[in-house]
Amino acid sequence: DTEVTQTPKHLVMGMTNKKSLKCEQHMGHRAMYWYKQKAKKPPELMFVYSYEKLSINESVPSRFSPECPNSSLLNLHLHALQPEDSALYLCASSWASRDSATYGYTFGSGTRLTVV
Amino acid sequence: KQEVTQIPAALSVPEGENLVLNCSFTDSAIYNLQWFRQDPGKGLTSLLLIQSSQREQTSGRLNASLDKSSGRSTLYIAASQPGDSATYLCAVTTQPGGFKTIFGAGTRLFVKA
Repeated sequence: DTEVTQTPKHLVMGMTNKKSLKCEQHMGHRAMYWYKQKAKKPPELMFVYSYEKLSINESVPSRFSPECPNSSLLNLHLHALQPEDSALYLCASSWASRDSATYGYTFGSGTRLTVV
Repeated sequence: KQEVTQIPAALSVPEGENLVLNCSFTDSAIYNLQWFRQDPGKGLTSLLLIQSSQREQTSGRLNASLDKSSGRSTLYIAASQPGDSATYLCAVTTQPGGFKTIFGAGTRLFVKA
């Protein structure tokens, strides 16, 4: 299995809703990432998990809450989002060692989130 | 601070043409450079990865080169096809583990049949 699977593919939520995005990989990667991408912009890093521990939080608002329950799963819990949070949310994984410099990232197909 | 720039921002070519996409970066201390393809509203598909010790990588009709000293990478696409139409992004990793990866804004390519 050489894929990163993200669900759902599309999500529409109100500003008072609570929802979660899910990401799964079975490549044995030990680093997993959440990126946010606005239209016609490059992806922006949000969070990095290494060996199931949060290692980087790029000053993301607390209405976004990441969780890494095990080495294969990554969740992003959403609560009280704003319309400007509407974007494509991408999950990625890589080897967590220096070998990641050799093999790079694998990205999922993303979740298109719309906040109304 | 590492900055990654891609020129041109958009490119339209007739089918069959060979083309070059450019990526420049300001800090030559990189671990790797990765080229991705992104179709509208979709995720990123990895095309080629060049480690800092390498000069080029090839996959099918694609060839990517890396010149760290000048802070440049090029993606060469041979015999372009309409199916190559997409946005092409380069990403530079400056720390192991991919913790500091900077993406360029991308080049939107349209190949006309």
